[in-house]
Amino acid sequence: ETGVTQTPRHLVMGMTNKKSLKCEQHLGHNAMYWYKQSAKKPLELMFVYNFKEQTENNSVPSRFSPECPNSSHLFLHLHTLQPEDSALYLCASSQAVRGGSDTQYFGPGTRLTVL
Amino acid sequence: SQQGEEDPQALSIQEGENATMNCSYKTSINNLQWYRQNSGRGLVHLILIRSNEREKHSGRLRVTLDTSKKSSSLLITASRAADTASYFCATVGDTGANSKLTFGKGITLSVRP
Repeated sequence: ETGVTQTPRHLVMGMTNKKSLKCEQHLGHNAMYWYKQSAKKPLELMFVYNFKEQTENNSVPSRFSPECPNSSHLFLHLHTLQPEDSALYLCASSQAVRGGSDTQYFGPGTRLTVL
Repeated sequence: SQQGEEDPQALSIQEGENATMNCSYKTSINNLQWYRQNSGRGLVHLILIRSNEREKHSGRLRVTLDTSKKSSSLLITASRAADTASYFCATVGDTGANSKLTFGKGITLSVRP
């Protein structure tokens, strides 16, 4: 276990549904990240939070809405998704965002299928 | 883009053999990291090598970095079936615009018992 948990592990949703992914880290880190992993593509960074403040939004469509209420919790709210949004969504944390030099610790991911 | 590109895309070896995986990147870096991902799971950090380092070891892992060729290699010695996984290199650039961790597509390693 890496100290980063994600729920749910699997999610199937229709295009009109609203759902949320949850990530929690037990490592005392200050930075948290959302990544999207699709088959045969590099890992895509979606959002970065540093000390609860969003520091990066990598041109992610507005149907993905992140929330970081504190340094230990990160949510990804989903609404009106498209089938091409089906992927493995990975959460990660690190000590802080310092030029990316810190090692990132990943959760097990949420396998999302959009019908 | 400074995105790392791993080579080969897939590698199949017999247990006990050594596995060598390569990564090339395009722009100058602050550090390069290797991660492992078991099927359907999250990534696990293996090793970090800084731009002023040429070689690092961790257990059965050996990583080299050649900044003149903008390339790195990951060697797993005496491979085991449990080493079967995808391996990713990730680079961190040395300028503000490129300072986030950027991953390659990964190498699928299969170790046959």
